[in-house]
Amino acid sequence: QVQLQESGPGLVKPSETLSLTCAVSGYSISSGYSWSWIRQPPGKGLEWIGSFHQSGGTYYNPSLKSRVTISVDTSKNQFSLTVTSVTAADTAFYYCARGVLAWGQGTLVTVSS
Amino acid sequence: EIVLTQSPGTLSLSPGERAALSCRASQSVSSSNLAWYQQKPGQTPRVLIYGASSRATGIPDRFSGSGSGTDFTLTISRLEPEDFAVYYCQQYGSSTWTFGQGTKVEIK
Repeated sequence: QVQLQESGPGLVKPSETLSLTCAVSGYSISSGYSWSWIRQPPGKGLEWIGSFHQSGGTYYNPSLKSRVTISVDTSKNQFSLTVTSVTAADTAFYYCARGVLAWGQGTLVTVSS
Repeated sequence: EIVLTQSPGTLSLSPGERAALSCRASQSVSSSNLAWYQQKPGQTPRVLIYGASSRATGIPDRFSGSGSGTDFTLTISRLEPEDFAVYYCQQYGSSTWTFGQGTKVEIK
């Protein structure tokens, strides 16, 4: 059974870079599926950030594309998210997911000085 | 980008009643790649339906999904107390995925 676990700093200063990692167990990232990041500001709805597709290609939410990068480390069986030039609007719970059926528990990232 | 519009925004119903939640897409959703999630306060979203009509593992059969193209529906046949929550639809048929804004099902 696949399991995903997000990790990273819970507090980031404005204008700095947010970096999160999703560690995957129970399934090899290189075996297939799409691997995604999703976020949810407290009290608000879900927002898709981007996805890496094993079949080819990495795609991003157009509204975030200029600031977001998803990278994959198959040797560690994990994938990562970086968001540059963060503001308070980037404060959210961040989730990683495999396809649509398996999500991590999420991690809260607060942007504040 | 495919925009998903969920209606109604809030649904006020009593336990035992039937709930029908709508999700309309601005363009046809490829291969019915549409999912429904349930989220309770303080919890991670839980997938209920994928592929527009397939129930995820462990989801009770009172939950059903239907639709294709641009119109999709999540139906809860008889509301149980634990079903009062926020529900989101998501399309994953295009290269850029999107979520609806959510429907809150509250106790009347």
